[in-house]
Amino acid sequence: AQSVAQPEDQVNVAEGNPLTVKCTYSVSGNPYLFWYVQYPNRGLQFLLKYITGDNLVKGSYGFEAEFNKSQTSFHLKKPSALVSDSALYFCAVRDPRYQKVTFGIGTKLQVIP
Amino acid sequence: NAGVTQTPKFRVLKTGQSMTLLCAQDMNHEYMYWYRQDPGMGLRLIHYSVGEGTTAKGEVPDGYNVSRLKKQNFLLGLESAAPSQTSVYFCASSDSPNYGYTFGSGTRLTVV
Repeated sequence: AQSVAQPEDQVNVAEGNPLTVKCTYSVSGNPYLFWYVQYPNRGLQFLLKYITGDNLVKGSYGFEAEFNKSQTSFHLKKPSALVSDSALYFCAVRDPRYQKVTFGIGTKLQVIP
Repeated sequence: NAGVTQTPKFRVLKTGQSMTLLCAQDMNHEYMYWYRQDPGMGLRLIHYSVGEGTTAKGEVPDGYNVSRLKKQNFLLGLESAAPSQTSVYFCASSDSPNYGYTFGSGTRLTVV
């Protein structure tokens, strides 16, 4: 079975500071990993994915994520947070043997002016 | 703009009533999905489709049915609504499960 954990319900960061939103996963084989963002009353928007290759993946809006196989983690990062980054962030994982993608419960990011 | 369109956006049902949620995509995607989002539980997959005429069960299929008669449309039906089906429903589509999904803006359903 595949699963994903987002250990923090909420992350608060000051505007201009670096931000990290944590994600750990569990799959039997090599994982496909994704990050999505959800703004209030909107659907989820795809940010970035890791399938294979470079462990540091760059995505939309200046976000990046680092795949760490030994720690089974895929943390989302941004060097300098903006107030407009405040939203709900979802990590997702897929075991490539199966069709289904499993989403985490989400982490609320609050960027404080 | 190209994307995924869900109708209706809001609906209130009485227990036992039925309804159909429509999802339409204009990106020629093969894969389509229905999720429900509940507080503290993230997104849970209800049903999905890997192509026109196909459907498959997800994590929480009970009480729901789906149909994909046309490639661009994926319908989610509730035959006899229950309060436990109060949720926000999202449809998504993709070219491949390896790619990111494109989500609709959601349907907020309340069953009283």
